[in-house]
Amino acid sequence: DVKVTQSSRYLVKRTGEKVFLECVQDMDHENMFWYRQDPGLGLRLIYFSYDVKMKEKGDIPEGYSVSREKKERFSLILESASTNQTSMYLCASSPSGASNQPQHFGDGTRLSIL
Amino acid sequence: AQSVTQLGSHVSVSEGALVLLRCNYSSSVPPYLFWYVQYPNQGLQLLLKYTTGATLVKGINGFEAEFKKSETSFHLTKPSAHMSDAAEYFCAVSEGNFNKFYFGSGTKLNVKP
Repeated sequence: DVKVTQSSRYLVKRTGEKVFLECVQDMDHENMFWYRQDPGLGLRLIYFSYDVKMKEKGDIPEGYSVSREKKERFSLILESASTNQTSMYLCASSPSGASNQPQHFGDGTRLSIL
Repeated sequence: AQSVTQLGSHVSVSEGALVLLRCNYSSSVPPYLFWYVQYPNQGLQLLLKYTTGATLVKGINGFEAEFKKSETSFHLTKPSAHMSDAAEYFCAVSEGNFNKFYFGSGTKLNVKP
């Protein structure tokens, strides 16, 4: 089974802090994704990566950056956290190629910015 | 870009009753369609997917969905609801070489005893 592991289930940070959310997958997937989930809005794509050191902006990249130095690890960075970034963050991975492959999700990180 | 519409943010059924969760998508080409389930404080788990072939797709936990191209729909059904089905359900469409997904806003299913 594919395992996607997010480093923290719950995280509390202060406004202005630099925040790192880590995600690791164990299935040698090329594609990795970061979403945020807010009530009534579903999942919105922040960034994705299709290869090491490659990244693409999603639908809501403002205030975020990402890093993918190794194939199995994809980090989401909040450069200067703000209260409107309080949310549930979900990481996912999928193999490369055609779009008929499901994405596999981690358990999420619930982030609170105070 | 794709869009996915899930009609009804909350659906409530009695235990043993039929479950019907609606999903419509916008696509000018044959889509790849997915249903996911999310239990409280967990990530998303794949229920089923449609890629090609048979339009009636069976998934885990007794769920199934039917792809109807003429209606651009992919509704999720289960003949008899169980208390353990209470969760949030997301419909998604994928496109492109990078397997980018577009999600609906989700439907919370409540199952009454």
